[in-house]
Amino acid sequence: SYELTQPPSVSVSPGQTASITCSGDQLGNKYVSWYQQKPGQSPMLVISEDMKRPSGIPERFSGSNSGNTATLTISGTQAMDEADYYCQVWDSSTFYVFGAGTKVIVL
Amino acid sequence: EVQVVESGGGLVQPGGSLRLSCAASGFSVSNYWMTWVRQAPGKGLEWTANIKYDGSDKNYVDSVKGRFTISRDNAKNSVILQMDSLRVEDTAVYYCAREKVPMITADAFDIWGQGTMVTVSS
Repeated sequence: SYELTQPPSVSVSPGQTASITCSGDQLGNKYVSWYQQKPGQSPMLVISEDMKRPSGIPERFSGSNSGNTATLTISGTQAMDEADYYCQVWDSSTFYVFGAGTKVIVL
Repeated sequence: EVQVVESGGGLVQPGGSLRLSCAASGFSVSNYWMTWVRQAPGKGLEWTANIKYDGSDKNYVDSVKGRFTISRDNAKNSVILQMDSLRVEDTAVYYCAREKVPMITADAFDIWGQGTMVTVSS
């Protein structure tokens, strides 16, 4: 079965850049999506197809994917960005797979 | 407004059954693959099942195969998750979500409901 690995947490100061990684075997050959989930809320799509931002998602959210690692980057991180972030891919053997999630802490 | 609303969660004993519903508005479920994702308390997201826009294809995570059944009622613009032989480890918030591109799977989930809580306990 296909697996995605994320760091449990990432800490960032307000205004700085947060980078959240997602690793998987030959991940660069798959499309990666990213979701933001705040406490008590439903997940929200912030990046699809590696780097596409849905309407309404701030430009400070960006994505990349190459080799075995995809990265969600939050530039100029704001307090409101504190949340759990999940990467997700589709795999032909296991269908949809999520990473375990990364808590972004804005110090 | 494009949205989905889940209902049907509750407390059930191990071995029992529950039927979750996902009512869509602002779009037609007959044009989209639809998915259920669950989240156990304090845990991450787990894709659970999905169904093709015409109902001809259904997929499940291994842990629910043979116990859960996904279906759709296009007339009511809704998706159903029938959960039988429930186990304690099925306890979770169950989210209904739309797969982003019409008639395409293997993509992302762009519309999520607020979730419905299922608790399996004696």
